Amino acid sequence: NAGVTQTPKFRVLKTGQSMTLLCAQDMNHEYMYWYRQDPGMGLRLIHYSVGEGTTAKGEVPDGYNVSRLKKQNFLLGLESAAPSQTSVYFCASSPNRAPGAFFGQGTRLTVV
Amino acid sequence: AQKVTQAQTEISVVEKEDVTLDCVYETRDTTYYLFWYKQPPSGELVFLIRRNSFDEQNEISGRYSWNFQKSTSSFNFTITASQVVDSAVYFCALRGTSYGKLTFGQGTILTVHP
Repeated sequence: NAGVTQTPKFRVLKTGQSMTLLCAQDMNHEYMYWYRQDPGMGLRLIHYSVGEGTTAKGEVPDGYNVSRLKKQNFLLGLESAAPSQTSVYFCASSPNRAPGAFFGQGTRLTVV
Repeated sequence: AQKVTQAQTEISVVEKEDVTLDCVYETRDTTYYLFWYKQPPSGELVFLIRRNSFDEQNEISGRYSWNFQKSTSSFNFTITASQVVDSAVYFCALRGTSYGKLTFGQGTILTVHP
């Protein structure tokens, strides 16, 4: 049982490059979330999804896009990376009826 | 709108001391869930506890206990007889039922010295 898997674990991007972070969960959870974690800022919600085909903005959505074409996958895209997007990104999934978020191991992204 | 505030940025204690981590929340939902997570130095996020808004019973699990008070919108976490292995960042979180949004506090860095 893999739980929540994030790909990749580490990445270095140049300013202006694009990339997609993949989050996959095998628990059939309805809800999925993308957070970024910066020192002293806690976990800030970027985007989230309450079901396949749905997405919603969180606290810090600018510069990011997401898609949830399949229930088990939640993709986070950076169209034109900026140094301010250097962060650790966490994906989480949660069931609807018995909420408790399960987290991936995180992706450390550096934009130079 | 929903918000979680952890006013204590850093706490430092000596082993065997008791320590309480504060969490205050805001939400317009009448049904909601509160959580505590631990993030050890290795970086992963470990789920500790969930409470729903209808259950104000305090909970104890070994050296950990949680005090949920709806009247003051607080969900505080106490570690009794702290140990060095308790050193971590602790996050309080809130999930309302209106939109399914899961919001975290800023986190409290706990350092337990031998």
